[in-house]
Amino acid sequence: DVKVTQSSRYLVKRTGEKVFLECVQDMDHENMFWYRQDPGLGLRLIYFSYDVKMKEKGDIPEGYSVSREKKERFSLILESASTNQTSMYLCASSLSRNANTGELFFGEGSRLTVL
Amino acid sequence: QKEVEQDPGPLSVPEGAIVSLNCTYSNSAFQYFMWYRQYSRKGPELLMYTYSSGNKEDGRFTAQVDKSSKYISLFIRDSQPSDSATYLCAMSEWGGGYNKLIFGAGTRLAVHP
Repeated sequence: DVKVTQSSRYLVKRTGEKVFLECVQDMDHENMFWYRQDPGLGLRLIYFSYDVKMKEKGDIPEGYSVSREKKERFSLILESASTNQTSMYLCASSLSRNANTGELFFGEGSRLTVL
Repeated sequence: QKEVEQDPGPLSVPEGAIVSLNCTYSNSAFQYFMWYRQYSRKGPELLMYTYSSGNKEDGRFTAQVDKSSKYISLFIRDSQPSDSATYLCAMSEWGGGYNKLIFGAGTRLAVHP
């Protein structure tokens, strides 16, 4: 089974803190994604990466950055956390050859609360 | 206006009922249509995938796409308590190396015994 593991399920941080969210996948997928999920808004794409050291902005990249130094690992960084970044963060991965099916494999999510 | 509209529910039905979940969209270029299921405190998982118009059936689940009306549906027959989850529609214009999905907000479904 494909496994996408997010390092922290629940985090509580203070405004202005730097936050790292780590994601690791074990199926050699080329593509990795970070989404945030908010009630009534669905999943919104923050950043994605289709190769090591490559990154592309999604729909809501402001206030976030990412790092992909190894194929299996994709990190989301909040340089200075703000209360409006309180959300559920979901990491996902996919195979390029399955892109047409839209099959993303998601982690279980990291619920971040910024006080 | 959002590109993809989905009624958030919640939708509560008795066990054995037929459930209809729907999404409308505004972008006529969408060609790939998916339904994801998300259990509480879990990530979404792909349930059904359909290309262009038509129907697709998988067990108790049927996905329908009506491109002329920009409307997609997911039907669940003989619903079970284990079907209680949030159902997210998703769609995209094309495949290729990266498939940018646009998600609906999700409909929360509760099937009670």
